[in-house]
This record gives sequence, structure tokens and C-alpha cells, in this order.
Amino acid sequence: NAGVTQTPKFQVLKTGQSMTLQCAQDMNHEYMSWYRQDPGMGLRLIHYSVGAGITDQGEVPNGYNVSRSTTEDFPLRLLSAAPSQTSVYFCASSYNRGAETQYFGPGTRLLVL
Amino acid sequence: AQSVTQPDIHITVSEGASLELRCNYSYGATPYLFWYVQSPGQGLQLLLKYFSGDTLVQGIKGFEAEFKRSQSSFNLRKPSVHWSDAAEYFCAVGAGYKLSFGAGTTVTVRA
Repeated sequence: NAGVTQTPKFQVLKTGQSMTLQCAQDMNHEYMSWYRQDPGMGLRLIHYSVGAGITDQGEVPNGYNVSRSTTEDFPLRLLSAAPSQTSVYFCASSYNRGAETQYFGPGTRLLVL
Repeated sequence: AQSVTQPDIHITVSEGASLELRCNYSYGATPYLFWYVQSPGQGLQLLLKYFSGDTLVQGIKGFEAEFKRSQSSFNLRKPSVHWSDAAEYFCAVGAGYKLSFGAGTTVTVRA
């Protein structure tokens, strides 16, 4: 199993540009999440999904959209990038809720100029 | 609302010495608690987790953590630190897919 994969690894955007961060998992996990990591703030939940077709907002959803058309994929869209969205983005998946382990991808480092 | 506080931003420890990282949480019910480690430029790896039962939890790489409900704490310990333990450590609380993380503690290991 590849686990959780993310592409790209690194991206530079100009303010106002749009892009999609890709996330895929091959563990047949129902639950998937997107976090952003900023210095001194740990990881903060952006959006999450509890199954195909079901998504919900996390702690910091503004400026981001998600959809979940398949169990495997959970892309994160930035419609109009802003410098405040410069961050490292992690995708994670787990089998179900509760004490199940969340498996994290390697991250995407995004710089918005 | 759930939240986590890691009081120590940075800890420096000598190789072979013991390590303790503090974590305090706020959660409305019986918490699910996790410790993750992040090496530079890498993703997060689970060290251990607690959800019920024995309050002393053993994890990978020789780490353990103790859940103390009365103190709302879940401190991470290792008896003897190796140079490879230099990393950033995150405590987290919540359901497995919807975690709240602390700000992290960076551990530096000196020879």
C-alpha cells in the first residue's frame, strides 16, 4: 500500500490564482481530513469527510473548498489564493472515528506571493 | 470545545537523558488522546494513543504516556533519549478524523 499520497510536494502561487491540492489513499478509509500547519500553531483542521459525498467544515475552512466523489480521493481547492494561505498542508485518513489512528500524507508546501 | 496546550515550545536534552513532554487538554467527554512525532520535512507519525483502560500507554520507539484525568494531562516520556529522537512532537485530542492539535514541542538532542 502507498498509504496517503499528496501532490504536488511544493507549489508557488501568485495572489488570486487557483489550484487544487490532491490527496489519495489506498487503505479504503472512510474518513479523510485536511489540515494546515503554521509555525507555533500546530495543525488546524480545514475540512473533513466521513464518506463519499459527505464533507464538513473544520476550524479554518474559509478560502478552501472540498469534495469527495470517491472513497480514495479528497482534493482541496483554493479558489483565489491569498498570502495568508501560505502554509504546509497535510491530508490524513482513518478507518473510522474514535480512537482509530489517522494516517498522514507527506504534506504539500504552498507559498503564495 | 476541545483544545490542547503544550506548555513547552522547545526542550533541549542530552543523549541518554530522560525526556518528558507536557500536554494538557480540554474535552467535554472521555477523551481520545494521541501523540504524534514529526521529523524535519516529514509527515506525522503516531507514537501512541489512549482511549480507555490502563492509564499508562506504551508506544513505539520506547515512548510511553500517562493519562491523568484529574489533571487533564497526557504527558509523554522516554527514559533514555537517542539522537534520532530530535523532532517536533504534537499532542492531539478528539475523534480520529477530527483532531485538535497542540502547538508542538521541538526537541533538540545534544551529544
